[in-house]
Amino acid sequence: TQLLEQSPQFLSIQEGENLTVYCNSSSVFSSLQWYRQEPGEGPVLLVTVVTGGEVKKLKRLTFQFGDARKDSSLHITAAQPGDTGLYLCAGAGGGSNYKLTFGKGTLLTVNP
Amino acid sequence: GAGVSQSPSNKVTEKGKDVELRCDPISGHTALYWYRQSLGQGLEFLIYFQGNSAPDKSGLPSDRFSAERTGGSVSTLTIQRTQQEDSAVYLCASSNVGSYGYTFGSGTRLTVV
Repeated sequence: TQLLEQSPQFLSIQEGENLTVYCNSSSVFSSLQWYRQEPGEGPVLLVTVVTGGEVKKLKRLTFQFGDARKDSSLHITAAQPGDTGLYLCAGAGGGSNYKLTFGKGTLLTVNP
Repeated sequence: GAGVSQSPSNKVTEKGKDVELRCDPISGHTALYWYRQSLGQGLEFLIYFQGNSAPDKSGLPSDRFSAERTGGSVSTLTIQRTQQEDSAVYLCASSNVGSYGYTFGSGTRLTVV
């Protein structure tokens, strides 16, 4: 069974601060995705990383896939209240490219 | 439609009753997934459809849970004799062949009282 551990579980920061969320596993994933979920809504895909060492930037968000494809991080620069939400990482692999294994998420609150 | 549509958005049912949850995926998406999200548990895989067939049902928690998909489109998740531990948000997602990302619906919040 593949497991994804996310940390921290909760994060409350002030507007303008930087933060990093981590997603770790002992398993290798063929791809890893990050989603953001707001209350009452389903998760929305932010990015997919597929190559070990890959770095992708989406405005103030930077995503990195570890060299061994076992871990990933999400860094947000100058957080804004609109960044508030539940951030989920999800990995595909283990012979199953269709089924995603999700971490439990990081609940981010950005205070104005 | 433009997105994945789920109905109802909320369902309160009495213990022991049967419920049906509906998912209408994005038109043309061949893959459809059901997940369950409980507080503190994250998203739990239930079942995967490719077209009308379900090659992976490994996440269904018990034989009280079943799902079908017709016409390669709409899917229904049925829970028989509901129990309080079935209370959760049931999320449906669809994707296209070769696509990494899922598009999720807004979910059905099921409360068993």
